[in-house]
Amino acid sequence: DTGVSQDPRHKITKRGQNVTFRCDPISEHNRLYWYRQTLGQGPEFLTYFQNEAQLEKSRLLSDRFSAERPKGSFSTLEIQRTEQGDSAMYLCASSLSLRGEQYFGPGTRLTVT
Amino acid sequence: GESVGLHLPTLSVQEGDNSIINCAYSNSASDYFIWYKQESGKGPQFIIDIRSNMDKRQGQRVTVLLNKTVKHLSLQIAATQPGDSAVYFCAETYFNKFYFGSGTKLNVKP
Repeated sequence: DTGVSQDPRHKITKRGQNVTFRCDPISEHNRLYWYRQTLGQGPEFLTYFQNEAQLEKSRLLSDRFSAERPKGSFSTLEIQRTEQGDSAMYLCASSLSLRGEQYFGPGTRLTVT
Repeated sequence: GESVGLHLPTLSVQEGDNSIINCAYSNSASDYFIWYKQESGKGPQFIIDIRSNMDKRQGQRVTVLLNKTVKHLSLQIAATQPGDSAVYFCAETYFNKFYFGSGTKLNVKP
């Protein structure tokens, strides 16, 4: 296993379009996290899955955002009706336990024009 | 690649010196803390963690100190190397959520 992977690495979209990102965690990890990071800031927690169950959602995750992990393996993060303020790096991480090391992917860089 | 670290506090140290990076956390109920290193264009990388029932933990060249009285966390890096140049974030965990600080940029001068 080569670690957490994310696809695409870069996405440029026009305001109002929908976008979907994919995260493939480390295979034996049952916990998966999504974060958003803007330039010069630390990652902001968005949501967290244990297996296929979405256990926590930040208030940052507006109703335009939805995340799924249908089979407890890969996860998708969809943003509907994108806004310029959604431009950021979207990071995915996975871990074996809640109080344990999170392994981050390289991120998907979203630019909304 | 993306440049992380713009407008961040910067710590400049000479190669071979020890570095101390500080972090103030926000919630007294936080029970788990992690330090991450982030290089430009990459995701954060785990360095070391500490639980709230400890006040010190050592790793290879790194030590984390936790002072719960003043809600302060520090990362000490011994014999700092050019490869340590990056942005360092502390993160706290409470109520199953993870909160990152704003980061400190470490610049190691050869």
